[in-house]
Amino acid sequence: NAGVTQTPKFRVLKTGQSMTLLCAQDMNHEYMYWYRQDPGMGLRLIHYSVGEGTTAKGEVPDGYNVSRLKKQNFLLGLESAAPSQTSVYFCASRGQGNSPLHFGNGTRLTVT
Amino acid sequence: KQEVTQIPAALSVPEGENLVLNCSFTDSAIYNLQWFRQDPGKGLTSLLLIQSSQREQTSGRLNASLDKSSGRSTLYIAASQPGDSATYLCAPIGAAGNKLTFGGGTRVLVKP
Repeated sequence: NAGVTQTPKFRVLKTGQSMTLLCAQDMNHEYMYWYRQDPGMGLRLIHYSVGEGTTAKGEVPDGYNVSRLKKQNFLLGLESAAPSQTSVYFCASRGQGNSPLHFGNGTRLTVT
Repeated sequence: KQEVTQIPAALSVPEGENLVLNCSFTDSAIYNLQWFRQDPGKGLTSLLLIQSSQREQTSGRLNASLDKSSGRSTLYIAASQPGDSATYLCAPIGAAGNKLTFGGGTRVLVKP
């Protein structure tokens, strides 16, 4: 049982480049989330989805876009990367009701 | 907007001592609250989930209490071990059941 899988694990981008982070879960979860974690700032919610075909903005959505075309996948896109987007990105998912949140192992992104 | 504070930010104890980690939140209208553990360079692992109707939840040496009206949760770890060294985070989930807000975490070091 893979749980929540994030790809890639590491990436280095130059300012202005674009990329997509993929999150896949095999637990048939309704809710999926993208967080970023920065020293001194904690975990901050970027975007989330409450079901297939839906997305919503979190606390820090600017500079990011997301898509949830399939229930098991939640994609996070950076159209024009900036050094301020250097961070560790975590994907998480949970089921309905009092279901705990499950996290992936993270993607470490550096933008130079 | 939910704000979550964890005190202390860091804690160092000798092996065998009991640990008390505090979490406070500003909006008491929560659906449930989850405690996580994070090891360096890793994702978050769920430890306990307390439903809003519960006062306490236990798993092995871990016990979490919830006082929703005062906006507080406490994680107790009995008879600490060096393997308990990690960062512990709490996250209440909003009344709508969709968004979790994380505290900054308490970094714990248990010395042998």
